Amino acid sequence: AQKVTQAQTEISVVEKEDVTLDCVYETRDTTYYLFWYKQPPSGELVFLIRRNSFDEQNEISGRYSWNFQKSTSSFNFTITASQVVDSAVYFCALRGDEGFQKLVFGTGTRLLVSP
Amino acid sequence: GAGVSQSPSNKVTEKGKDVELRCDPISGHTALYWYRQSLGQGLEFLIYFQGNSAPDKSGLPSDRFSAERTGGSVSTLTIQRTQQEDSAVYLCASSLRQGGTEAFFGQGTRLTVV
Repeated sequence: AQKVTQAQTEISVVEKEDVTLDCVYETRDTTYYLFWYKQPPSGELVFLIRRNSFDEQNEISGRYSWNFQKSTSSFNFTITASQVVDSAVYFCALRGDEGFQKLVFGTGTRLLVSP
Repeated sequence: GAGVSQSPSNKVTEKGKDVELRCDPISGHTALYWYRQSLGQGLEFLIYFQGNSAPDKSGLPSDRFSAERTGGSVSTLTIQRTQQEDSAVYLCASSLRQGGTEAFFGQGTRLTVV
């Protein structure tokens, strides 16, 4: 069975601080895919990134970076120099590649960035 | 369409009534998902469609819940004899295919059962 754990329920930071959101996953599939989504107060889930299990390169996109480590089954998300607009709930998700698979979400981490 | 479209955006219904929630996925997307999100909670999987078939219905909470998809496109989630605990935001998502493609979400239908 697939499982995603986001142990941090809520994180509060002050603007310009760096913050890392943790994601740990479990799967028996050899090939799988990991995702991060952002849910701002408006409620719509916004896709941020997809990572394939066979590609362990880390990725940077502006102030966002992702650290994928198969050895520890983790896919952590770092926001550098956080801004108030980063305040949202962030979800990590997993989907295996064998047969028909649903997208499994973690419980989310609420990030509050204060000015 | 350009994105996943859900209707209605808000629905208030009386306990015991039936409701239908509609999802119009992105054109060409074969995979379609329904999730439920209660206030302040995570995403609860309900059902997944690949084309018109539903290989995974494991998340439907009771036999009052059903869903169908026709023509590999529009999907309808039906809740019969609604209960107050059914109050939540119902989210639909679609992806080009299953597997390694990302899913795009609609804005959801906020259902309130009074």
